[in-house]
Amino acid sequence: GAGVSQSPSNKVTEKGKDVELRCDPISGHTALYWYRQSLGQGLEFLIYFQGNSAPDKSGLPSDRFSAERTGGSVSTLTIQRTQQEDSAVYLCASSPSHTSYEQYFGPGTRLTVT
Amino acid sequence: KNQVEQSPQSLIILEGKNCTLQCNYTVSPFSNLRWYKQDTGRGPVSLTIMTFSENTKSNGRYTATLDADTKQSSLHITASQLSDSASYICVVSATGGGNKLTFGTGTQLKVEL
Repeated sequence: GAGVSQSPSNKVTEKGKDVELRCDPISGHTALYWYRQSLGQGLEFLIYFQGNSAPDKSGLPSDRFSAERTGGSVSTLTIQRTQQEDSAVYLCASSPSHTSYEQYFGPGTRLTVT
Repeated sequence: KNQVEQSPQSLIILEGKNCTLQCNYTVSPFSNLRWYKQDTGRGPVSLTIMTFSENTKSNGRYTATLDADTKQSSLHITASQLSDSASYICVVSATGGGNKLTFGTGTQLKVEL
């Protein structure tokens, strides 16, 4: 079956612009996670959804970052007024439930802010 | 603060050789430890997941060990292949909601002819 997909695969944007990153989880997976992978750094947790609600937003680095999930499926991560330090690979993962150990990752979106 | 440290940072080995990657963690309360393989330009793929009560788990040529007392884990790769070239990431989960994970920075392995 289809895995986790993310779009776009690459995004180059100018500083100050808003960007939207999309994640399509595996069908039926109720838990969805967003992570950020900066160059030379480990993956950093951003936000987690169970269904359409986000019980844990503690990893969002600033109020410029927000995310939503609709219909218990697709999720969008929005970064407003992008800064150069936002440049990173943004990874999405889904899981059958929030108690499941297994997370399945998408290929990521590489964001470059110029 | 929960942390995961991996060593070495990078490693080059010849095809057919074995290697062992190390992971030390300070995550509490501990739930489980995972090893992921991440090919360049792709998302991580799970190799093994171990809970507190497990001290070894194998997946083909990959064998992971866990010592929950010393908070150390290792990933042993046997008879390496060119396709094993990737970043290997140690990930530790604490108990609690959301299944949040703490990621190491990875060991970059290159297998050469």
